[in-house]
Amino acid sequence: DAGVTQSPTHLIKTRGQHVTLRCSPISGHKSVSWYQQVLGQGPQFIFQYYEKEERGRGNFPDRFSARQFPNYSSELNVNALLLGDSALYLCASTTGRIANYGYTFGSGTRLTVV
Amino acid sequence: GESVGLHLPTLSVQEGDNSIINCAYSNSASDYFIWYKQESGKGPQFIIDIRSNMDKRQGQRVTVLLNKTVKHLSLQIAATQPGDSAVYFCAEIVGGSEKLVFGKGTKLTVNP
Repeated sequence: DAGVTQSPTHLIKTRGQHVTLRCSPISGHKSVSWYQQVLGQGPQFIFQYYEKEERGRGNFPDRFSARQFPNYSSELNVNALLLGDSALYLCASTTGRIANYGYTFGSGTRLTVV
Repeated sequence: GESVGLHLPTLSVQEGDNSIINCAYSNSASDYFIWYKQESGKGPQFIIDIRSNMDKRQGQRVTVLLNKTVKHLSLQIAATQPGDSAVYFCAEIVGGSEKLVFGKGTKLTVNP
């Protein structure tokens, strides 16, 4: 079975632009979460979606938005990019509660804003 | 507030030695803890977890210890191998939440 897949793997954008990152969860997983990992730090929670509904949101500005599709894949959108948005964006999926089923992370999308 | 911190940012050991990576957490409401390994260019990979009603859990070559009194978590790796070289993160979940709170990480280097 394929793991969590993310696309693209690398991306370079200019300040002020918009970006869309994509995530396909493991087959059968209905919950997708997004994390931002700045170089040298641990991942920070951005969003969680379950059955196409937002179930949690981290401390990120409204420039960050996400959605989940009927096939449980997900998109993360970031508007008006800032230099500080440069990071590794990780997607994780699970079939239920993390404490019971765990998370599987994808390899991430490396976003560079110049 | 919510935070998970680590005592040491880097750790260098000789192949075959045992490694101990430490983590401090601040939220007494956290009831589930996970250790992740992250290799360069990859996402975090699950190593071992522990619930707050336990103080020790063992896996293959790894042991996690939880001391709720001092809010301290440790990961012990036995007979460390070069393939164990990576950044290790502890993460916690506050009861009722599905949000992982990660620490900054410890970079483990295993010297042959």
